[in-house]
Amino acid sequence: DADVTQTPRNRITKTGKRIMLECSQTKGHDRMYWYRQDPGLGLRLIYYSFDVKDINKGEISDGYSVSRQAQAKFSLSLESAIPNQTALYFCATSDGGRYQETQYFGPGTRLLVL
Amino acid sequence: QKEVEQNSGPLSVPEGAIASLNCTYSDRGSQSFFWYRQYSGKSPELIMFIYSNGDKEDGRFTAQLNKASQYVSLLIRDSQPSDSATYLCAANTGNQFYFGTGTSLTVIP
Repeated sequence: DADVTQTPRNRITKTGKRIMLECSQTKGHDRMYWYRQDPGLGLRLIYYSFDVKDINKGEISDGYSVSRQAQAKFSLSLESAIPNQTALYFCATSDGGRYQETQYFGPGTRLLVL
Repeated sequence: QKEVEQNSGPLSVPEGAIASLNCTYSDRGSQSFFWYRQYSGKSPELIMFIYSNGDKEDGRFTAQLNKASQYVSLLIRDSQPSDSATYLCAANTGNQFYFGTGTSLTVIP
């Protein structure tokens, strides 16, 4: 079984709808991240969480919110989806080691906002 | 200025050749550096990381770090068509990872 899972894998929604993307991990990592990827722009950080009580905004948090329900679960919500939120979304986890901290990515959610 | 910069390519090399991928970073406080490979539509997968100046080898891959020049590179020896992908460089500042936009590599059979 995959260590980091994301649901749904694909989603089509309409402008103005609220949607939630979910991420679960079995790696036992404290740190979790949400990124979006757009062609030519690379991976951009939306939100990150270092533990259940810690939530931090990333580079592009406007229009998004998150919830860390448990160590293993980190959800991303689009309160009112807009077309420029069409992107590939990745959840990632890391173990927080100083030099060897490594991020491990889920399979991604492809979101299309019409 | 972006935290991590890469030449977007595309970079094309013949099968069996050495592919050289380069990356520069702006934050001198960056602690460690990573190379990920990403196939189209798939998630990034870790190739290797490096945090000390010099070279680090893992199979056909060698990462090189020069902190004075703020430069990281990845060499792929005996390149194979299956190495054709986008390669992402990332820097860890301790709080966040910053990713470059990636270099597209094509290995020509």
